[in-house]
Amino acid sequence: KQEVTQIPAALSVPEGENLVLNCSFTDSAIYNLQWFRQDPGKGLTSLLLIQSSQREQTSGRLNASLDKSSGRSTLYIAASQPGDSATYLCAVRYGNNRLAFGKGNQVVVIP
Amino acid sequence: DTAVSQTPKYLVTQMGNDKSIKCEQNLGHDTMYWYKQDSKKFLKIMFSYNNKELIINETVPNRFSPKSPDKAHLNLHINSLELGDSAVYFCASSQAIAGAYNEQFFGPGTRLTVL
Repeated sequence: KQEVTQIPAALSVPEGENLVLNCSFTDSAIYNLQWFRQDPGKGLTSLLLIQSSQREQTSGRLNASLDKSSGRSTLYIAASQPGDSATYLCAVRYGNNRLAFGKGNQVVVIP
Repeated sequence: DTAVSQTPKYLVTQMGNDKSIKCEQNLGHDTMYWYKQDSKKFLKIMFSYNNKELIINETVPNRFSPKSPDKAHLNLHINSLELGDSAVYFCASSQAIAGAYNEQFFGPGTRLTVL
């Protein structure tokens, strides 16, 4: 079964601290992995997409790493800001074109 | 301007009714999806169409019927609505490149409440 787990489910950090969000998946035969952000009552915004052949992707303060063999991805957000408060979702794409989602990391950045 | 749009944004209806949700994307993508996000915020795929052809059909009651009139549109029709259908339904799209389906873009969601 293709399961995606995100730990911790929720976390609060003071503004300025770095955020580390973890995603693990049971089936390592992935095509790619995508990190999303979801604000309350809103849709999903794509943050980063890592292909299975890549080890990491960076966009501004965001960096996502991928270790396929161990079934893990980590999203780093440097120097967190209150505007980073949201739920972050990890989604893994498999060869059957299914996108399996984790339940998310709910982040609160305290000013 | 919106890349993936859905209508309506909110839908409140009585049990037993039939309703439709519409989705349109102006990204030129050839693949579209419907997802359901339940009360625990867990997202699960329901259907996927590639070039108007159904390619993913998860274990979803046959009261749910997707329809893709063209590559830019994927509608979801739900018959005989039940309380358990209450959820947020998201539409998404992506472009298949060399057989791989790349980054997915999501619509704003439709919050369905069945009374």
